[in-house]
Amino acid sequence: AQKVTQAQTEISVVEKEDVTLDCVYETRDTTYYLFWYKQPPSGELVFLIRRNSFDEQNEISGRYSWNFQKSTSSFNFTITASQVVDSAVYFCALRPYSGAGSYQLTFGKGTKLSVIP
Amino acid sequence: DTEVTQTPKHLVMGMTNKKSLKCEQHMGHRAMYWYKQKAKKPPELMFVYSYEKLSINESVPSRFSPECPNSSLLNLHLHALQPEDSALYLCASSHGGTGFSSGANVLTFGAGSRLTVL
Repeated sequence: AQKVTQAQTEISVVEKEDVTLDCVYETRDTTYYLFWYKQPPSGELVFLIRRNSFDEQNEISGRYSWNFQKSTSSFNFTITASQVVDSAVYFCALRPYSGAGSYQLTFGKGTKLSVIP
Repeated sequence: DTEVTQTPKHLVMGMTNKKSLKCEQHMGHRAMYWYKQKAKKPPELMFVYSYEKLSINESVPSRFSPECPNSSLLNLHLHALQPEDSALYLCASSHGGTGFSSGANVLTFGAGSRLTVL
């Protein structure tokens, strides 16, 4: 069975602060993919990043960075110098690479981020 | 603009009505998905089409009937719904199908159709 835990239900920060969203996962698969999606109030889930379980290099994209640590089964997401436009619900998700369940994207419960001007 | 287009954005229907949600993509994706999302919850998978054939049905009640007329279109026909079916219905698509090693495929989501059943 797979499970994704996002322990932070809601976070509020003041604009320009840095914020880290936590994601911890459980899986028995040896090869899997991890994802982060952003869901603004408009409803659409916006893809942010995909990470292969064999690639533990951290990734930076502008103000966004991701820290993947296989040893602790964590895939945390940091926003540097947060902006009001970052306000959204962020979902971490897990998908096995192969097998009968590879169609299934297991989502965490999401973290609602509010950036206050 | 999203590359997966869903219509209508909002729908209000009575329990005896018949309505349809539509989804369209032109990215050449061969897998298409319907998800249901209740307020403050993550999306839940309903159906998956792979190469225009229904490959996954997550035990969804028969009052929801999916249809994939061609590789670009996905419909969800609604009939005799209940108030608890009120939710945001999200369509998504991805490259390839839902074959044995499809886990790397990124899902592209539409903006959703917000359904209210009275």
